[in-house]
Amino acid sequence: EAQVTQNPRYLITVTGKKLTVTCSQNMNHEYMSWYRQDPGLGLRQIYYSMNVEVTDKGDVPEGYKVSRKEKRNFPLILESPSPNQTSLYFCASSFGRDRENGYTFGSGTRLTVV
Amino acid sequence: GENVEQHPSTLSVQEGDSAVIKCTYSDSASNYFPWYKQELGKRPQLIIDIRSNVGEKKDQRIAVTLNKTAKHFSLHITETQPEDSAVYFCAASRSVYRNKLVFGAGTILRVKS
Repeated sequence: EAQVTQNPRYLITVTGKKLTVTCSQNMNHEYMSWYRQDPGLGLRQIYYSMNVEVTDKGDVPEGYKVSRKEKRNFPLILESPSPNQTSLYFCASSFGRDRENGYTFGSGTRLTVV
Repeated sequence: GENVEQHPSTLSVQEGDSAVIKCTYSDSASNYFPWYKQELGKRPQLIIDIRSNVGEKKDQRIAVTLNKTAKHFSLHITETQPEDSAVYFCAASRSVYRNKLVFGAGTILRVKS
């Protein structure tokens, strides 16, 4: 089944404890992206990647890191999480610029930082 | 950068009525406009999209219109059903940078039966 898989689905952590949210897609998509969803603010892009080893900042990159060492994986790293990073996170992927389609989203990761 | 504004933030309609959600964008170079539906507790899913070389697109009860001059686009849902109740997001991007998709804040649609 074609899908974007995120893990974990739920995570509660303490301030300052490094964490990684994994994202994997099995559709051979070039583009991958991370969004956070907060009430009243919609979906805001954190980082995106156009291909392996090609990443760039979105609108809210502060406090996050990403890497794209393989085409299928795009982990989101929080080196020192803070309470304002409590949010619902979505990974998404799509074909490259020559294909006409939108993002496919993962199931989401609800992160709570205490 | 691109800014997308979406209205209304909440919309209640009677089953069978039509619903219209409107979005405006700021970047005149944007040329790809998708709409996503997010049911409670689930992921956003693409329901329809439109490109700037097209003024209108329909898919059964859903249609999207685009006015490039005014920089706004709208989602129209006809004959609404209770299962249409969800949060709807509009978004915009330049196709060459389609991965940099900017979303509106969302509209909560409630269809009352």
